[in-house]
Amino acid sequence: RKEVEQDPGPFNVPEGATVAFNCTYSNSASQSFFWYRQDCRKEPKLLMSVYSSGNEDGRFTAQLNRASQYISLLIRDSKLSDSATYLCVVNTNAGKSTFGDGTTLTVKP
Amino acid sequence: GAVVSQHPSRVICKSGTSVKIECRSLDFQATTMFWYRQFPKKSLMLMATSNEGSKATYEQGVEKDKFLINHASLTLSTLTVTSAHPEDSSFYICSAKQAAPYGYTFGSGTRLTVV
Repeated sequence: RKEVEQDPGPFNVPEGATVAFNCTYSNSASQSFFWYRQDCRKEPKLLMSVYSSGNEDGRFTAQLNRASQYISLLIRDSKLSDSATYLCVVNTNAGKSTFGDGTTLTVKP
Repeated sequence: GAVVSQHPSRVICKSGTSVKIECRSLDFQATTMFWYRQFPKKSLMLMATSNEGSKATYEQGVEKDKFLINHASLTLSTLTVTSAHPEDSSFYICSAKQAAPYGYTFGSGTRLTVV
């Protein structure tokens, strides 16, 4: 079993749709969590950190469920520019990062 | 936010040659940098953790003698792929950790093609 698992998709949604991605992790000692966005052949860029209380940034909402060991990312009112691969990243207290394989989103007109 | 500059962005080399990739933190000091490689449609795999002034820590299965890491200053880490082979062709990315909530800042990546 992978340490961090994501549904690879692809998710194909129309503009304006709401889409949610989930990510599960196996290491219960994981301390911090992030969602990154990666465009084709580009470096990953931090989208948002994920806090236990849940956090929102515009159209993006991230949530963490420590008991079930999963994090989620919700995108509302999808835009064409949201098309990308979304990477779930889990860090241990020792600072080691483990990346999920990513979920590919394509938003269509 | 902070910037990590990575060079070259793209390199093509012949089998058997060595390639050096540089990663610089431009406006902050990075005592620790991380080197990843990424195969097509796969996620980033941590290769090694580069510590300023000391030896790098390699992940299991990564050959130390093949992937030489040097972190001689607080702003520069280098990865040298020695005696490159076609199977080393990949996307290599470095990153440096910043204080919360910034997470990791990544270099722009280097696409290595060994022919």
